[in-house]
Amino acid sequence: DTAVSQTPKYLVTQMGNDKSIKCEQNLGHDTMYWYKQDSKKFLKIMFSYNNKELIINETVPNRFSPKSPDKAHLNLHINSLELGDSAVYFCASSQGVLAGAQETQYFGPGTRLLVL
Amino acid sequence: SQQGEEDPQALSIQEGENATMNCSYKTSINNLQWYRQNSGRGLVHLILIRSNEREKHSGRLRVTLDTSKKSSSLLITASRAADTASYFCATVRIQGAQKLVFGQGTRLTINP
Repeated sequence: DTAVSQTPKYLVTQMGNDKSIKCEQNLGHDTMYWYKQDSKKFLKIMFSYNNKELIINETVPNRFSPKSPDKAHLNLHINSLELGDSAVYFCASSQGVLAGAQETQYFGPGTRLLVL
Repeated sequence: SQQGEEDPQALSIQEGENATMNCSYKTSINNLQWYRQNSGRGLVHLILIRSNEREKHSGRLRVTLDTSKKSSSLLITASRAADTASYFCATVRIQGAQKLVFGQGTRLTINP
């Protein structure tokens, strides 16, 4: 019954590795997001997709590549991981793009990434 | 740059007391939202207030918005231990990309 789910919940990896985080929502929403929360709890949007199309792409290193195979899924692939990538990554979804940011966003439980 | 800034950064009160958290922002907004984050969890939406609204209630929550001062407050009445969490305000600007911009949050601790 989980509305927005993410896998894995924890990810510990070595610098230089490539890793992926998966997100799925069963709410029938059109818009999905990736956020990064740093150690100071500051939450910042990275990407937003609407119906598999990229609509928001913040200033994020191109080592980060989102992929949306369908509107219920938004995955995040990270190449050549760096120490500074250590953070909690949250996926979220909302109803529609035009009203997307004007409506409630539903967040996943987060993926805690630690790069050693 | 960060849009919303919460104040205080941390707040500790006794169970049963009221808790008030404030949020200030810099640009004109479409709406302002409050979210709660329990330790180790994702964010949960609490309440949304639109720019043409001044006050909104939901259960023990009361949110005010003063667009002339670019500020909002979240009041939790009759606090409970379960209210212990971080509370974030997030704004949607009128212009530019339709995205939520979060503040750094207020860490609220309710002491039994």
